[in-house]
Amino acid sequence: AQSVTQLDSQVPVFEEAPVELRCNYSSSVSVYLFWYVQYPNQGLQLLLKYLSGSTLVKGINGFEAEFNKSQTSFHLRKPSVHISDTAEYFCAVSAGSGTYKYIFGTGTRLKVLA
Amino acid sequence: GAGVSQSPSNKVTEKGKDVELRCDPISGHTALYWYRQRLGQGLEFLIYFQGNSAPDKSGLPSDRFSAERTGESVSTLTIQRTQQEDSAVYLCASSLEAGELFFGEGSRLTVL
Repeated sequence: AQSVTQLDSQVPVFEEAPVELRCNYSSSVSVYLFWYVQYPNQGLQLLLKYLSGSTLVKGINGFEAEFNKSQTSFHLRKPSVHISDTAEYFCAVSAGSGTYKYIFGTGTRLKVLA
Repeated sequence: GAGVSQSPSNKVTEKGKDVELRCDPISGHTALYWYRQRLGQGLEFLIYFQGNSAPDKSGLPSDRFSAERTGESVSTLTIQRTQQEDSAVYLCASSLEAGELFFGEGSRLTVL
């Protein structure tokens, strides 16, 4: 079975500063990894995904994440955040091709301060 | 429509009443999911539909919860005899292939 851990429930950061949101997973099989963003009163929207290939994945809004198999991590980064990046971020894992089970982390609330 | 549509967006009900939540997936999406999101928590898997296959109901928390989907169209999630702990946002998502779930904006349920 898979599991996802997002250790940081809240991350405050000043505007234009870099940010890293951490995600660790556990799985006995190859996985697909995802980051979703949820703006206030909205549904979740895909930021980026790792299915295979290059371990550095670029997504929308300037975000990127790196798949690290040895550390079982998929941390999300952005070099310079904006006020509009204030949202809840969810990491998710699925057990690769042929499965429909997506396991979500508990989320990290990113608050960008002026 | 272009996205996943859910209704109602907000529902306030009294304890013990039944509620029905509706999800209209993206046209052509064969897979449909229901998740529950309690305040300050992550997404809790409830049920999964794939085409005409038997649904995976393993996430439904009790027999008060049920869901239906006809073919690849609309799905309804029904909660009978609602309890206060059922208060949450219920999210529906659909997908065509592995790699991305498309979420609706959710139905916020408040049980008084």
